[in-house]
Amino acid sequence: KQEVTQIPAALSVPEGENLVLNCSFTDSAIYNLQWFRQDPGKGLTSLLLIQSSQREQTSGRLNASLDKSSGRSTLYIAASQPGDSATYLCAVAHNNNDMRFGAGTRLTVKP
Amino acid sequence: DGGITQSPKYLFRKEGQNVTLSCEQNLNHDAMYWYRQDPGQGLRLIYYSQIVNDFQKGDIAEGYSVSREKKESFPLTVTSAQKNPTAFYLCASRQGQGLLNQPQHFGDGTRLSIL
Repeated sequence: KQEVTQIPAALSVPEGENLVLNCSFTDSAIYNLQWFRQDPGKGLTSLLLIQSSQREQTSGRLNASLDKSSGRSTLYIAASQPGDSATYLCAVAHNNNDMRFGAGTRLTVKP
Repeated sequence: DGGITQSPKYLFRKEGQNVTLSCEQNLNHDAMYWYRQDPGQGLRLIYYSQIVNDFQKGDIAEGYSVSREKKESFPLTVTSAQKNPTAFYLCASRQGQGLLNQPQHFGDGTRLSIL
């Protein structure tokens, strides 16, 4: 059974710092991996989706990488801003309609 | 604007009562999903539907029921058999019949509590 782990559970950084969030998964036979943002009391917003054949995806200040063989993905946030404060979740699609979510990393960016 | 609407935002359930959470989407998506989110845990799949009049159990379907009579609607009923219903419930949809190369879109959730 696929297990997804995100470390750290919480992270606090000063504004302007570059940071990396980590996601690991136990079964490398995935279809894709997706990073989401969740604001308090809200639903999830998709940030980046990486297909299993891809190594990375970029959107603005965000860059996500995927290493299937080691079961790892990272989300890199450049020049962090207070508006980036949220919980970031990763999810892996293992087979059709089977997505496994990590518990998330709660990020706080201090002004 | 296209999107997913969940209602109500907050819901309280009395012991022995069934309650229904609404999920409506105007994205013309075929696949719809219900997840439960508990503090410190990832989302867990309750039920999903790839097409009208068809749905499948997820990992934690016990104590829940769904229907998919219309493409745009996928209501979730939390029955009295669900002994620990307090959680944040999220509805999602995806283009195509669960095509995994398309991202899931989420509603803003319903927070259910026991009175």
